[in-house]
Amino acid sequence: QLQLQESGPGLVKPSETLSLTCTVSGGSISSSSHYWGWIRQPPGKGLEWIGNVYYNGVTDYNPSLKSRVTISVDTSKNHFSLKVTYVTAADTAVYYCARLESGYYDAFDVWGPGTMVTISS
Amino acid sequence: DIQMTQSPSSLAASVGDSVTITCRASQSFRNYLSWYQHKPGKAPKLLIYAASSLPRGVPSRFSGGGSGTDFTLTISSLQPEDFATYYCQQSHTMPYTFGQGTKLEIK
Repeated sequence: QLQLQESGPGLVKPSETLSLTCTVSGGSISSSSHYWGWIRQPPGKGLEWIGNVYYNGVTDYNPSLKSRVTISVDTSKNHFSLKVTYVTAADTAVYYCARLESGYYDAFDVWGPGTMVTISS
Repeated sequence: DIQMTQSPSSLAASVGDSVTITCRASQSFRNYLSWYQHKPGKAPKLLIYAASSLPRGVPSRFSGGGSGTDFTLTISSLQPEDFATYYCQQSHTMPYTFGQGTKLEIK
C-alpha cells in the first residue's frame, strides 16, 4: 500500500528557507500515471495547492507562490522535496504531500499525514 | 484563477440524516472536480473524483453530482465517523483551487 511521509524542520526563522521532503514507500515515484504534489493549510484556513512535480522533473506551481517555491524529485531515493524561500509568518501551515492520480481526473488520492511548520524567530 | 465557493460553511445534522453540500465554480468545466473529507490531525481523504466517481473503499452513502459551475456532495444516512470538514477541489485549470470547506457537526 502506497504511503507518503513528510519530514523537515518544524520551526523556521523569518526570511529563511523552508525545506521539506516527502518520502514515498510501497510504490515507485517513477510512475508515468502520477504527479506528486504539495498542499498546505494555514491555521484556521482552507487548503492551498502549492505545486506538482513529475518523475522526470517537470513542475507546475501556483503563481501566487511561484517566485519563492521550488519542487524537485529524486527518483533514486524515491522522494520529492519542497523549498520555500524568504518565508514569513504567512507561510506557517500544515504542509501535506500527496499523489495526483491522472486516471482520477487529477485528484489527490493518497496523502501524507502532514507536518506543521511554524515561521517564528 | 477558478474560485470555488462552498455552501453552507457549516452544517449540523444527526446520525441517520442525509445532507448535501454545494460547490460553485467561478468558471464552467466538466468532471475535474473532487471532494475530500478532512478530520483534525489527519490527512485529507479523497471521497469523489471526476465529480461523481467513488474511489475503491469509499462507502456508497457518499455520492457526487453536477457539471458546469454547480457540483454537489451528498451523504445519505450519516454515520458518526462522517462528522468532519469537506472540501471541493477543481483540477480543470491551474492553479488548482479548493473550496473554503464545509464543517459538518453533530446536532
